Amino acid sequence: SQELEQSPQSLIVQEGKNLTINCTSSKTLYGLYWYKQKYGEGLIFLMMLQKGGEEKSHEKITAKLDEKKQQSSLHITASQPSHAGIYLCGASFGNEKLTFGTGTRLTIIP
Amino acid sequence: NAGVTQTPKFRILKIGQSMTLQCTQDMNHNYMYWYRQDPGMGLKLIYYSVGAGITDKGEVPNGYNVSRSTTEDFPLRLELAAPSQTSVYFCASSLGGNQPQHFGDGTRLSIL
Repeated sequence: SQELEQSPQSLIVQEGKNLTINCTSSKTLYGLYWYKQKYGEGLIFLMMLQKGGEEKSHEKITAKLDEKKQQSSLHITASQPSHAGIYLCGASFGNEKLTFGTGTRLTIIP
Repeated sequence: NAGVTQTPKFRILKIGQSMTLQCTQDMNHNYMYWYRQDPGMGLKLIYYSVGAGITDKGEVPNGYNVSRSTTEDFPLRLELAAPSQTSVYFCASSLGGNQPQHFGDGTRLSIL
């Protein structure tokens, strides 16, 4: 089984609606990183979470790490066309490498 | 500040040919990484380096080689290209193992 599961695989949301993407680990996370990728481009770093219960926000995007440090959620409020893309979570399990989820493809419809 | 720069952006190779994907960063990061991204499969780590002169295998190293002679550069070499190596390749760098990785724009490689 995968060490890191991301859900849903794809999401179609009407502009203005809220949405949540989840990233679940089978092991305790030392760090959780959220990235956004537009088609044909590289990954853009969004936020890093390291402490249990930690929550960070940037503009309309909020990311949380649960107390047990095994699950993270990314919440977008009042979605806009600029939020469309692929969101990936990357997990650190205590070494210098990251394990990535398979990504969530977000489509925003008018 | 250019960040992480990858060249070329696109390349088509014939089976059995060899090539080097270039990656350079200007952020003085010690850690550098090579990933491949296949459709629906997320990112798989090929090789990584924690400093000049030090490299280590990732999850999918077979068919690839790397070197790290300077802090700035981390080239990835394909010796005998195979169709299974058709993918998008990303280079990344970070200040440390628990710091965010910064990615280049990728190289789209097709092996025909």
